[in-house]
Amino acid sequence: GQNIDQPTEMTATEGAIVQINCTYQTSGFNGLFWYQQHAGEAPTFLSYNVLDGLEEKGRFSSFLSRSKGYSYLLLKELQMKDSASYLCAVSYYGNNRLAFGKGNQVVVIP
Amino acid sequence: AAGVIQSPRHLIKEKRETATLKCYPIPRHDTVYWYQQGPGQDPQFLISFYEKMQSDKGSIPDRFSAQQFSDYHSELNMSSLELGDSALYFCASSSGSTGGNSPLHFGNGTRLTVT
Repeated sequence: GQNIDQPTEMTATEGAIVQINCTYQTSGFNGLFWYQQHAGEAPTFLSYNVLDGLEEKGRFSSFLSRSKGYSYLLLKELQMKDSASYLCAVSYYGNNRLAFGKGNQVVVIP
Repeated sequence: AAGVIQSPRHLIKEKRETATLKCYPIPRHDTVYWYQQGPGQDPQFLISFYEKMQSDKGSIPDRFSAQQFSDYHSELNMSSLELGDSALYFCASSSGSTGGNSPLHFGNGTRLTVT
């Protein structure tokens, strides 16, 4: 695999901010995607990073550092519906797939 | 907006039987991907097709085969089913390959249970 690492589970309260990290193998890197997946449902696309820096999309932001092989997803103003697994997925040159990490389960409590 | 359609949603088979999963991509999407996801696991890439040709191959067992047809729909054929094949199977489609910035759009999956 491409050694995509993510921590596993975190709990946060409504309205809080949560940061989910992802590290990946840098050789051949071609882009990074973040997905949200509710249990038993399809992953849904959240954001895409290919250049260094922060991409902001409403309550969700994603950051990329290509030299460090590191990305994070920032979830702001947490809502109960944000309880889900968050997956980072990397595209590498030379193949036509996304390689997924194991996902970080976020549980939002009142 | 039209999404990726997968059928069936649920499938129960016995060991050693065969199964066929179908996927209809978003209109005008030319690339289809198949993933397998076990309980608590990340989606594992199986195979992808671009313009009806296999474009990448992952950890797909030899007992499985897939193809993309002229109308761009795809089928995953699974033979000699084993208990370990029980999983959620997702199909995804994109416009162009993952080399661009096209995200994958996933269908709702087929839940296969092998007894």
